[in-house]
Amino acid sequence: NAGVTQTPKFRVLKTGQSMTLLCAQDMNHEYMYWYRQDPGMGLRLIHYSVGEGTTAKGEVPDGYNVSRLKKQNFLLGLESAAPSQTSVYFCASSHARTSGGAYNEQFFGPGTRLTVL
Amino acid sequence: ILNVEQSPQSLHVQEGDSTNFTCSFPSSNFYALHWYRWETAKSPEALFVMTLNGDEKKKGRISATLNTKEGYSYLYIKGSQPEDSATYLCASWILTGGGNKLTFGTGTQLKVEL
Repeated sequence: NAGVTQTPKFRVLKTGQSMTLLCAQDMNHEYMYWYRQDPGMGLRLIHYSVGEGTTAKGEVPDGYNVSRLKKQNFLLGLESAAPSQTSVYFCASSHARTSGGAYNEQFFGPGTRLTVL
Repeated sequence: ILNVEQSPQSLHVQEGDSTNFTCSFPSSNFYALHWYRWETAKSPEALFVMTLNGDEKKKGRISATLNTKEGYSYLYIKGSQPEDSATYLCASWILTGGGNKLTFGTGTQLKVEL
């Protein structure tokens, strides 16, 4: 199993350009997440999805859109990139909540380093 | 406490030392606490998922405890080894007015020296 993969690994954009980051998982996980990681800050949740066709906003959703058309894929889009979106982006996935309501451990991808000039 | 806070921010210990870190989180509307280990140039890997007050989990030389009433969790490492060097993250699921919210702490960076 490949686990969680992210494409691309690196990308440099100019301000105003758009791009899509792809996350794929082969563990049949129901939940998927997109985070950004910046120096001195913890991982911050951008958007997440609890199932195919559903998405929800996280802590820092502005400037990003997501789609979950297939269970195994979760796409993160930047419509008009800004320098403030320079960051390392991590995707993660997990099984659905337990019957007791707890959230399961997340499996992370290797990250995408994005620079916006 | 409104956010997830971890202390200390960084820690240097000698091989063989035992150490512990703290994760503080909002105690109200608590759902679950996760601990992750994050080695440089790698992705975070889950250590523990804890849900019940008084939970104690153990994996090898690493263990964790949970106090949901007062909003803290301790991570212990017994007999630290150089391969334990990593950043240890905790994350808490909290119910807010806008729905469930997952918040990560900024981590405790552990360096184990020979």
